Amino acid sequence: EAEVAQSPRYKITEKSQAVAFWCDPISGHATLYWYRQILGQGPELLVQFQDESVVDDSQLPKDRFSAERLKGVDSTLKIQPAELGDSAMYLCASSPWAGQGKETQYFGPGTRLLVL
Amino acid sequence: AQKVTQAQTEISVVEKEDVTLDCVYETRDTTYYLFWYKQPPSGELVFLIRRNSFDEQNEISGRYSWNFQKSTSSFNFTITASQVVDSAVYFCALSEDLNNNAGNMLTFGGGTRLMVKP
Repeated sequence: EAEVAQSPRYKITEKSQAVAFWCDPISGHATLYWYRQILGQGPELLVQFQDESVVDDSQLPKDRFSAERLKGVDSTLKIQPAELGDSAMYLCASSPWAGQGKETQYFGPGTRLLVL
Repeated sequence: AQKVTQAQTEISVVEKEDVTLDCVYETRDTTYYLFWYKQPPSGELVFLIRRNSFDEQNEISGRYSWNFQKSTSSFNFTITASQVVDSAVYFCALSEDLNNNAGNMLTFGGGTRLMVKP
């Protein structure tokens, strides 16, 4: 069964360092999402791609976060510099293109980030 | 703006008990989609069900059943004869029909942690 792949699974870094997370969506899925999940809360969308284009990045802290999906397949989310408040689970999801909110999003295993 | 509320933050039951997880949502859209996901301790979100706003039929899948009531804006999830393996955090989520030619963000509730004790 096809799955969303993410790496690394765990990352510990120090404040002010740079970190990067990688996501490979299910093959053929045009839409890719990055969510952040703070401990004890539900995930919140950071950025959404349609192929290689950003559809929604209104909740992405652009002063320190960046995301790209250069070839419309895999994607990288970067934080520079990391802050203590960035400690969270970063989840990647993908869905087939269909529009209108009806497609199911399938999630990867996530990357747990701890900033010291 | 859309909102999902899961009032029960934590539920503890003994194995074989039935348990219902509540979900209440708010949206101004007439077309929307509701989801339930399971998050076991390993962390990944596992898709359980999707419902569109025009289909109010209840659904049953094995020990799982879902009750969708538009009149009360609720989409509740019942596990019958719970098992220890059902222990996880369960999230209800909402996606609106924004007609923007792309998939749309999910708005999640805060989750309900279910603990099933042997």
